[in-house]
Amino acid sequence: DTAVSQTPKYLVTQMGNDKSIKCEQNLGHDTMYWYKQDSKKFLKIMFSYNNKELIINETVPNRFSPKSPDKAHLNLHINSLELGDSAVYFCASSPPLRDRGDGYTFGSGTRLTVV
Amino acid sequence: AQKITQTQPGMFVQEKEAVTLDCTYDTSDPSYGLFWYKQPSSGEMIFLIYQGSYDQQNATEGRYSLNFQKARKSANLVISASQLGDSAMYFCAMREGPNFGNEKLTFGTGTRLTIIP
Repeated sequence: DTAVSQTPKYLVTQMGNDKSIKCEQNLGHDTMYWYKQDSKKFLKIMFSYNNKELIINETVPNRFSPKSPDKAHLNLHINSLELGDSAVYFCASSPPLRDRGDGYTFGSGTRLTVV
Repeated sequence: AQKITQTQPGMFVQEKEAVTLDCTYDTSDPSYGLFWYKQPSSGEMIFLIYQGSYDQQNATEGRYSLNFQKARKSANLVISASQLGDSAMYFCAMREGPNFGNEKLTFGTGTRLTIIP
């Protein structure tokens, strides 16, 4: 049973298109995240949600819109895709702070290529 | 200023040898957590080990141990008896707080470890 699953795994699309990436976790965690890993492998937070509420929005262009229908799901919609959006996008979830010794769990990543 | 610094972009180590991956961090928060993740070529992020700022003992998980030197703000990962399967990118990360609502991980730039047979 996959703990954090995101789909699709690969996404190739043309500039200007709109696309979505879906994420679901079955760990019962309250907080979910989107991270972006660039071509140099650097990982940076984009958004976090706690129990469906947006908590962190880390100066991401407003073409990126996260949506959390419930605490087990966090989707990422991207409008008007640009070449610079090409990256690997990771969804993650974290346990309550009292269990902070447990690692954050990451999905397997979505490799987005904009052509 | 970088919050997490990994100064070794790449390392080559002979199989069965121990390896130390360096990580220094910068925070003024007295409460924080330090994490190490492994990213093999397949791309997934695998949690290895965690150290809390108030933990008295260094964390250990199997062949992984964390050499935590609080005064020096360093949290080096030690892998004992390295194996070919240890070849991967390794990331050090920090969470400051607990500050509800700011539970993000800040990552270093990573170290690419290659184990030589």
